[in-house]
Order: sequence, then structure tokens, then C-alpha cells
Amino acid sequence: DAKTTQPPSMDCAEGRAANLPCNHSTISGNEYVYWYRQIHSQGPQYIIHGLKNNETNEMASLIITEDRKSSTLILPHATLRDTAVYYCAATSGSARQLTFGSGTQLTVLP
Amino acid sequence: GAVVSQHPSRVICKSGTSVKIECRSLDFQATTMFWYRQFPKQSLMLMATSNEGSKATYEQGVEKDKFLINHASLTLSTLTVTSAHPEDSSFYICSASRGPSTDTQYFGPGTRLTVL
Repeated sequence: DAKTTQPPSMDCAEGRAANLPCNHSTISGNEYVYWYRQIHSQGPQYIIHGLKNNETNEMASLIITEDRKSSTLILPHATLRDTAVYYCAATSGSARQLTFGSGTQLTVLP
Repeated sequence: GAVVSQHPSRVICKSGTSVKIECRSLDFQATTMFWYRQFPKQSLMLMATSNEGSKATYEQGVEKDKFLINHASLTLSTLTVTSAHPEDSSFYICSASRGPSTDTQYFGPGTRLTVL
């Protein structure tokens, strides 16, 4: 199973872009990278996922390096409500189980 | 949408009793459901994977006789913690996916279990 590594915490100023890195150097060719976020005592919320191409949706952008060993989640205009723990995860196995990293606590500062 | 609910949201029980947690996909059929456990200030740890109509697959170190999982329909999976002990106190979260062609897991709000 691919292991993901994330910095434990980051701060970001409100209105600025938040760039959250994730290292997944052991990921294999058919394993997707998923991003979720979790606000205290709630279930994780899906943000975005990708395989090798960059992806964008209404919440965020996902930039995956060409060698697929790392990725960056970009929140283009962070708000106070984006304060949460952000998890990078990789899928594996026939049932596409998720292996979560330790997460990054993002704090958006006013 | 892809909404997953859990019931109850929190439960307190005495040591030695059993507790059942329900996970429902409200607006889609979930071929596969997953159960996770999360201790304070830690990440999510996968406990088991269940497919509708078949036995669950448990992760290494998770006792299948203690954590009974039933995935009786495409919208309902249950986790029963049998003979609960204080060390089973945790945040239990389920997720559901539509099937192998769509990997995205959608998570429920979680159930806080406290065993006294």
C-alpha cells in the first residue's frame, strides 16, 4: 500500500492561496491520490482526486508531479471555514481501499 | 449528491455490552462500504471492507469476532462492537462507494463510542 506523508501543520492568510503538499513516493501506476478534509468531530469531506493529470473542481485544484511521487492541493482563496485537517490518501487493493496519511492541520488566519 | 448517514451519532455504554452502529447511503446504492476507527488526534485507520451480500474483509489486527459487520443491502451496513471495553472507545466512521468503477468514498458523520 502506498504511504503518504504530509506536514503536520500549516498557516495561511485569509484570501490567499493555500498550498498543501503530500509525498507519495511509493505510489504505483494504478493508485489514485485522494484529498479529504475533516473538521473536528465530523466525517471527512471529499475534496478532489486524480491519477496523473492535474485536476480542478469548484473546491480546489490538484497538481500531481510528472513522476507521481508527490502532489499539491491548492485552495485558491482560503477562507476561515477552510480551517480543518487535510488528508492525502492513496487507493490500493481490489476494493480501492484508502490509506490515509497523518494529515495537515491548516489554520486560516484572519 | 452522495450522502451517507450514521446512527447513532454518539453512544455511551457499559463495559461488556454490545453496540450496533448503522451506516446508510441515502441517495445512491453502495456496492462497497468501509469502516474506519479514529482515535483522538490520529488519522483514520481502516478496519474492514464490506461488499453487499458477502463477508467483510478485515484489516490485520482487527478482530472479526469482536467487530461484526453486516452489509445486508446496497444502502445499509452495520457494525456491532461486541463485549465492548473501555479501550474500544473511539470515533467510528463509515464510508460508501458506488462500486469498483467509481472509487470515490463518501463518509458518514461518524459515531462517538464511549465505553464506561
